[in-house]
Amino acid sequence: DVKVTQSSRYLVKRTGEKVFLECVQDMDHENMFWYRQDPGLGLRLIYFSYDVKMKEKGDIPEGYSVSREKKERFSLILESASTNQTSMYLCASSIGTGDYTDTQYFGPGTRLTVL
Amino acid sequence: DQQVKQNSPSLSVQEGRISILNCDYTNSMFDYFLWYKKYPAEGPTFLISISSIKDKNEDGRFTVFLNKSAKHLSLHIVPSQPGDSAVYFCAADPNQAGTALIFGKGTTLSVSS
Repeated sequence: DVKVTQSSRYLVKRTGEKVFLECVQDMDHENMFWYRQDPGLGLRLIYFSYDVKMKEKGDIPEGYSVSREKKERFSLILESASTNQTSMYLCASSIGTGDYTDTQYFGPGTRLTVL
Repeated sequence: DQQVKQNSPSLSVQEGRISILNCDYTNSMFDYFLWYKKYPAEGPTFLISISSIKDKNEDGRFTVFLNKSAKHLSLHIVPSQPGDSAVYFCAADPNQAGTALIFGKGTTLSVSS
């Protein structure tokens, strides 16, 4: 079974703090993704990575950065957290077949509250 | 501008009946669609998909229908069970590369016993 784990289930931070969200997958997947889920907005892609040290912007990258130093780990960084970044953050990974059969497997999510 | 639309935020169905969840898309170039299911406090899990070369794909109680001319797809669950109560997301894979999926807002299905 594919396992995608996220470092925290719940996180509370203050405005202006630097926040790190960590994601680890144990299936040697090439692709990793960060989404945020907000009520009434569905899932929106922030960034994804198709290889170590490689990244691509998604639909809403503003205010975020990412780091992928090792294949199994993908970090989402909020340089200076703001209240509008309060959300559920979901990490996902996929094999990286490069075609549409490539299923994404999601972690349980981190609910981040920025006060 | 939403490219994948799920216009019904919620749906309530009785156990044993059919659940029909709808999804519309705006870009006729989209060729591959997926449905994900999400329980509270868990990440979404892949449910079923369909390629535009088909108009129907079936997996047990779950069937997805695609109407390309109407740019519409639907997920049918028969018979519905209380354990099917979850949020269902429709998604399109515009690049057919399994990467930049475009998700709808989701429909919350409640199945009562």
